[in-house]
Amino acid sequence: GENVEQHPSTLSVQEGDSAVIKCTYSDSASNYFPWYKQELGKRPQLIIDIRSNVGEKKDQRIAVTLNKTAKHFSLHITETQPEDSAVYFCAASQGFQKLVFGTGTRLLVSP
Amino acid sequence: DAGITQSPRHKVTETGTPVTLRCHQTENHRYMYWYRQDPGHGLRLIHYSYGVKDTDKGEVSDGYSVSRSKTEDFLLTLESATSSQTSVYFCAIRSGTNTEAFFGQGTRLTVV
Repeated sequence: GENVEQHPSTLSVQEGDSAVIKCTYSDSASNYFPWYKQELGKRPQLIIDIRSNVGEKKDQRIAVTLNKTAKHFSLHITETQPEDSAVYFCAASQGFQKLVFGTGTRLLVSP
Repeated sequence: DAGITQSPRHKVTETGTPVTLRCHQTENHRYMYWYRQDPGHGLRLIHYSYGVKDTDKGEVSDGYSVSRSKTEDFLLTLESATSSQTSVYFCAIRSGTNTEAFFGQGTRLTVV
C-alpha cells in the first residue's frame, strides 16, 4: 500500500522568507498529490494539488513540484506571512483507492 | 462548506462501550473516508468507501468497523471503545479519484 513520508515535522521562518516542505511516496502508481492546510481547531482544507502528468503548479505565493522518477513532491511558499502559520499535510492517491496523508509539518512564521 | 456533517461533534464514553460516529453528505460524492488525527501521526486512514456497501480497510482499521447503506451516510463504529481510540475523527468525501477531498468538522472522542 501507499506510504507517504513528510519532512520537516516543524519549520520556523521569518516573515518574508520562503518555506519548503518535502514529501516522498512509495507507490509509483500514485497519480494525485494534494496539499492541505489545517489551522488550529479547524478542518484540513486544500491549498493546492498536482496530478502526475504535470511537473509544477503555481497559485500566487504557493507552488508544488513533482518528481515522479524520484517519487517526491514539494510545497513551496514564498514571501511567508504570519497567517501562513498552520499545519500542512501532503497526501498521495492512486486510482480509486486510498488517500494517504503524511504526518504533517507545523509551520511557524514569525513577524 | 462542501455539504458534509459529522455527528456528534464531541463525545465522552467509557471503556468497553460501543460508539458510532456518523458522516452525512449532501453532495452525492462516491468516495467517503474516515481518518483519525493524533499528535505526531497526522491523518491516518481507518476505512474508506467507494460506493454503497463497498468499503475497505485503511492503515489503522483494527477495532473499527464501517457501514454505508446509503450514498449519503458513512458510519464508523467502535465495537468496544478503548482509551487508545481517544482521538479526533475526521470524515472526508470526494467525487473522483484525483479530485479534492472535503473534510467534515471533526468529532472529538474521549474514552475514559
